[in-house]
Amino acid sequence: EVQLVESGGGLVQPGRSLRLSCATSGFTFDEYALHWVRQAPGKGLEWVSGISGNSGSIGYADSVKGRFTISRDSAKNALYLQMSNLRAEDTALYFCTKERYCTATRCPFDYWGQGARVTVSS
Amino acid sequence: AIRMTQSPSSFSASTGDRVTITCRASQGISNYLAWYQQKPGKAPNLLIYGASTLQSGVPSRFSGSGSGTDFTLTISYLQSEDFATYYCQHYYTYPFAFGPGTKVVIK
Repeated sequence: EVQLVESGGGLVQPGRSLRLSCATSGFTFDEYALHWVRQAPGKGLEWVSGISGNSGSIGYADSVKGRFTISRDSAKNALYLQMSNLRAEDTALYFCTKERYCTATRCPFDYWGQGARVTVSS
Repeated sequence: AIRMTQSPSSFSASTGDRVTITCRASQGISNYLAWYQQKPGKAPNLLIYGASTLQSGVPSRFSGSGSGTDFTLTISYLQSEDFATYYCQHYYTYPFAFGPGTKVVIK
């Protein structure tokens, strides 16, 4: 059974940093790209960042580029999101999600965690 | 970056109705388009990928069509469990993007 479990959320002051983690299991970790998607309270989904199975391809939303860094550790089957210079508008529920298998270069997301809540406030 | 729009933003419908939601990309994305359903307090659930391929386990009353810039999600016979918010998403190239969502409420 595929499982994605986020951790590391919390309350943080503007300008500070926070690192989210996503522990994964139930699939061959190195074979799948992983992503972070966030949802501000009462708002829609926003794709944040993605990383390929071998970490060779990485992408970021314009809203976080230069402030957030995505990474993965195959020894721990874990995905990370290092968030720096946090702003109030980064307040959201952050989901870890896995690309499904498909024959294309990029694929949609078939498994999601339950999310880690990040609140940026003084 | 490619931007996604959806229409309508919300609408009311009755059980048994046929409903259609549209999604438009700001530039061509071939068929790199997915649809998700999200219920309050839950993570999204993949319904359709490749614009028209039904994800395993999703009821056949859901269908998708389109290519290039214009796409539709159709629910042929709305069931009570289908009242939710629906999002389209392109995965053509980075940065990926979601549409703003369409909320389907009970009439």
